[in-house]
Amino acid sequence: GAVVSQHPSRVICKSGTSVKIECRSLDFQATTMFWYRQFPKQSLMLMATSNEGSKATYEQGVEKDKFLINHASLTLSTLTVTSAHPEDSSFYICSARQGASYNSPLHFGNGTRLTVT
Amino acid sequence: RKEVEQDPGPFNVPEGATVAFNCTYSNSASQSFFWYRQDCRKEPKLLMSVYSSGNEDGRFTAQLNRASQYISLLIRDSKLSDSATYLCVVNKEGSGYALNFGKGTSLLVTP
Repeated sequence: GAVVSQHPSRVICKSGTSVKIECRSLDFQATTMFWYRQFPKQSLMLMATSNEGSKATYEQGVEKDKFLINHASLTLSTLTVTSAHPEDSSFYICSARQGASYNSPLHFGNGTRLTVT
Repeated sequence: RKEVEQDPGPFNVPEGATVAFNCTYSNSASQSFFWYRQDCRKEPKLLMSVYSSGNEDGRFTAQLNRASQYISLLIRDSKLSDSATYLCVVNKEGSGYALNFGKGTSLLVTP
């Protein structure tokens, strides 16, 4: 069964609105979660690393004020796309590492397909 | 240079064929390596980790050459259900051990 739950799986919103995506680790605690974005026919690109109880670490070129990340508990991280625009339409996927080793598997949520009209 | 590079394919092979995918990575300090599989419009799923000595899981064999910074995946006796995009994945430097993904190699197994 799934070990990382992501919600919603699909959202269509109007330009200028904000969208919140939730990512939950099931049956394990994740001090660190990762948010990726994937455009059609492109690779998954890391947007940010979400750290429980502290500020997220954003990758170069990702606007922290536009993509708000909150990791308030050991099992939940949220990504809010603020004032979404059509160019933000993409497949957003969260992931969490089960275990502390760098070889521990990374489990992915089932992704959120965002369409901004 | 991209951190993880793969031949995008597509690879079209008949059922039962053996197919090999290659991948190179740019960071010589990388420590962990994986192959993930991604079906169309779905999230990636771990296929197998890649170890220095090479490892096998059923019909799948992964090899790592640290000197050449090269990773491979061999699929024997291809099945229709193997059709997917195969992602070469290498850990990203920094805290939290995030992963860098290649663009993926597309495989289509035909009857």
